[in-house]
Amino acid sequence: KNEVEQSPQNLTAQEGEFITINCSYSVGISALHWLQQHPGGGIVSLFMLSSGKKKHGRLIATINIQEKHSSLHITASHPRDSAVYICAVRSYNTDKLIFGTGTRLQVFP
Amino acid sequence: DGGITQSPKYLFRKEGQNVTLSCEQNLNHDAMYWYRQDPGQGLRLIYYSQIVNDFQKGDIAEGYSVSREKKESFPLTVTSAQKNPTAFYLCASSPSRIGMGTSLYSTDTQYFGPGTRLTVL
Repeated sequence: KNEVEQSPQNLTAQEGEFITINCSYSVGISALHWLQQHPGGGIVSLFMLSSGKKKHGRLIATINIQEKHSSLHITASHPRDSAVYICAVRSYNTDKLIFGTGTRLQVFP
Repeated sequence: DGGITQSPKYLFRKEGQNVTLSCEQNLNHDAMYWYRQDPGQGLRLIYYSQIVNDFQKGDIAEGYSVSREKKESFPLTVTSAQKNPTAFYLCASSPSRIGMGTSLYSTDTQYFGPGTRLTVL
């Protein structure tokens, strides 16, 4: 079993829909990252969380440390949000980054 | 503009040849990393460097080599010993906090390059 699991693996939506991507992890962590990978391959860091909730524009990231779970929400989705969203956790014990396999999102007009 | 560049974007090599992937950053970051991405798998760490002239093996270092002669450059060589070299390779950098703890990895956000897709024929 992977130490970082994302769901769903693939997601399609109509423009304007509210999107939720989930990330569960099984190790103790010091931080959790949400990353966005565009079709060309480049990766951009969206959020780094250690507790609570962060918001940037239409993106909201939450984390529940007790439940070892994080969600990434996209409000009013747009075709330009189409990308692979990757969850990564920094292990408290090893200090290594452990990456999930990603959620591929496609938003259609 | 500050950022990380990787070149080339696409690279083709014959089996048995060594190949070097370039990674340059002008962000003045101390720490640099090389990751490999394969379909259906999360990114895996190949090598990392906290400071010039020092680097450490990551989780999948076999068949790879690196150097860190300059702060801004961290080239990765894929050697003929790497059994399955075809993959997407990503370089990243982050500010490092050497001397502020025992962590071997920076805990700051990592900035990624655009990646190099290597195909070995």
